Amino acid sequence: SAVISQKPSRDICQRGTSLTIQCQVDSQVTMMFWYRQQPGQSLTLIATANQGSEATYESGFVIDKFPISRPNLTFSTLTVSNMSPEDSSIYLCSVIGGDSQPQHFGDGTRLSIL
Amino acid sequence: QKEVEQNSGPLSVPEGAIASLNCTYSDRGSQSFFWYRQYSGKSPELIMFIYSNGDKEDGRFTAQLNKASQYVSLLIRDSQPSDSATYLCAVPSSNSGYALNFGKGTSLLVTP
Repeated sequence: SAVISQKPSRDICQRGTSLTIQCQVDSQVTMMFWYRQQPGQSLTLIATANQGSEATYESGFVIDKFPISRPNLTFSTLTVSNMSPEDSSIYLCSVIGGDSQPQHFGDGTRLSIL
Repeated sequence: QKEVEQNSGPLSVPEGAIASLNCTYSDRGSQSFFWYRQYSGKSPELIMFIYSNGDKEDGRFTAQLNKASQYVSLLIRDSQPSDSATYLCAVPSSNSGYALNFGKGTSLLVTP
């Protein structure tokens, strides 16, 4: 399966600031997703990152708060904007390499907001 | 409407025993089912996926699917302490195509 690198692996941020998380894959993939995992909870899909077009957001997530870019088939970014303590979570990038391929996850970004 | 249900556990089994993890799903049209293992502080790791009714075996792991009952299970034979983790069941989202809906996960503890 593809090697998925996420940066940063963790960060502690101040309330009201923004952080951009990067997801880099070592091969071209058909689909990329961003999930959030709040403490003690399961994974919740934030959005599907679409190559060359606007991301598709799930209910409860908006572009102004979580802008996403995907300029090519190997790279995507998620920005968490105007952060509050409620945004303290693990943010996970996942990819599907090709047709009928399962989904694999990056190592995640552990974000704490003070 | 919750689409994937799992017992949160913890499920405790002795070393060497069979651990049985269960998952039910609400979308009768679901075609594929995934089991991920997540160690504390780590990201989910795919361990099994199944598309067809019946059993699929991979080493010590067996996935069992019953579409009529909307039920998928994961059996871990000869459980080891290293199997202690949270096991997440996932099915493709009915709203988001290839993205996954995850259950809350079952915490498994294998005791020596």
